[in-house]
Amino acid sequence: AQSVTQLDSHVSVSEGTPVLLRCNYSSSYSPSLFWYVQHPNKGLQLLLKYTSAATLVKGINGFEAEFKKSETSFHLTKPSAHMSDAAEYFCVVRPGGQNFVFGPGTRLSVLP
Amino acid sequence: KAGVTQTPRYLIKTRGQQVTLSCSPISGHRSVSWYQQTPGQGLQFLFEYFSETQRNKGNFPGRFSGRQFSNSRSEMNVSTLELGDSALYLCASSLQWGGDYGYTFGSGTRLTVV
Repeated sequence: AQSVTQLDSHVSVSEGTPVLLRCNYSSSYSPSLFWYVQHPNKGLQLLLKYTSAATLVKGINGFEAEFKKSETSFHLTKPSAHMSDAAEYFCVVRPGGQNFVFGPGTRLSVLP
Repeated sequence: KAGVTQTPRYLIKTRGQQVTLSCSPISGHRSVSWYQQTPGQGLQFLFEYFSETQRNKGNFPGRFSGRQFSNSRSEMNVSTLELGDSALYLCASSLQWGGDYGYTFGSGTRLTVV
C-alpha cells in the first residue's frame, strides 16, 4: 500500500530563516512525487514535482525538494522564508499512475 | 488562461437532500478528479474522469457519484446527505490521465450539511 508521512504537523520559522518540511513515502511502484501548497480558503497550488528525472527539483517561489530513494524521502526546502509562505503544505505521491495519495499536511507559520 | 472553476463556492444543505457540484477544467485539460477535504480525514480522493470515463475511484460509498461531459466539464453528486459529508470539495484538472502530470486545483466548494 502507498502512504505518505509528513513528520511535522506544524513548523514555525522566523522570516528570513530556512524552511525544511519533511516527507517520507512508501510505494510499491516507482512513484511520482509532488508538493502542493494551500493558502486559507483556497485550492491547492503545485509547487514542484519529481518524475524520475533530476533528483533535485526546483519549484516556484524559491522552493526545492530532493528525492532520496534510499531514504524514501522528498523533503521540501527554501533558503529564506517569507511571510507569504505561511500556509499548509501537502506532500503527494502518485504511484504508477494510480490515485494521488496525500500526506496529512504541514502547517507552516512564519514569524516576523 | 482561466483556471479550474468550481461552482457554487458555498452550499448549505439539509440532511437527506442531494447536491450537485460543478467543475469546469482548464481549457484543453481532459482529466478531472475530485477530492474531499475535512479536518479529520484530510484530503481524500473521490474519483477521476478522463474522456467521459471514470478511470479511478476512491473508497467512498455509492452515494457519491460523478460524471464527465464531452466538453470535459464534470459534475459530482452526493445523494442522501449526511452531516459527515460537510467538507471542502476540490476539483483538479490535468492535460492527460495517469503518469506524472501535475494537477491544477480549483478553489473548491464548501458544503455544509445541517
